[in-house]
Amino acid sequence: QKEVEQNSGPLSVPEGAIASLNCTYSDRVSQSFFWYRQYSGKSPELIMSIYSNGDKEDGRFTAQLNKTSQYVSLLIRDSQPSDSATYLCAVNHGSGGYQKVTFGTGTKLQVIP
Amino acid sequence: ETGVTQTPRHLVMGMTNKKSLKCEQHLGHNAMYWYKQSAKKPLELMFVYSLEERVENNSVPSRFSPECPNSSHLFLHLHTLQPEDSALYLCASSQDGSGLRPQHFGDGTRLSIL
Repeated sequence: QKEVEQNSGPLSVPEGAIASLNCTYSDRVSQSFFWYRQYSGKSPELIMSIYSNGDKEDGRFTAQLNKTSQYVSLLIRDSQPSDSATYLCAVNHGSGGYQKVTFGTGTKLQVIP
Repeated sequence: ETGVTQTPRHLVMGMTNKKSLKCEQHLGHNAMYWYKQSAKKPLELMFVYSLEERVENNSVPSRFSPECPNSSHLFLHLHTLQPEDSALYLCASSQDGSGLRPQHFGDGTRLSIL
């Protein structure tokens, strides 16, 4: 089982709709979860960090974490064509002072005007 | 000013050349990372430095040699590379190496091996 799994997509949604991106992880003791956005040919850009069960909202973005079911999701409300990008989920795992962060393969989102 | 700066942005080199990639972070972070991203592949962690000490070497071939002279600078020395090493090389930094803090990425160096 991969440490961090994402559906590669593409996920196509119409402009103005809600885009829902999902990520599952294997390490039960993971504590930190990150969503990054990566435009084609560019570097990843941090969108959200989440550490506790439940929802965390930042503008049009909402991250949802369920540690029992070991999944984290990202909702994008009122999707815009400029949201078209690959979204990477990243999760920490391990123990001790240094803990590795593993990135998923990313989900490509296409917002159709 | 970008928090993490990488130079050069593009690099073309032959298999017998020696070159270095440079990364500088202006965020006051204590951990720095090198990643490789090939076309249609996920990010591959290469090296991690925390407080200038290497804490991760993810089975990277010896033709890649990292150097971290201080917490703000990170280098990746390249020699006798192979065509399959052509990729986007990304540097990142984080507040510490605990995995609890987000990483901030530079714009990357696109490397092409002839």
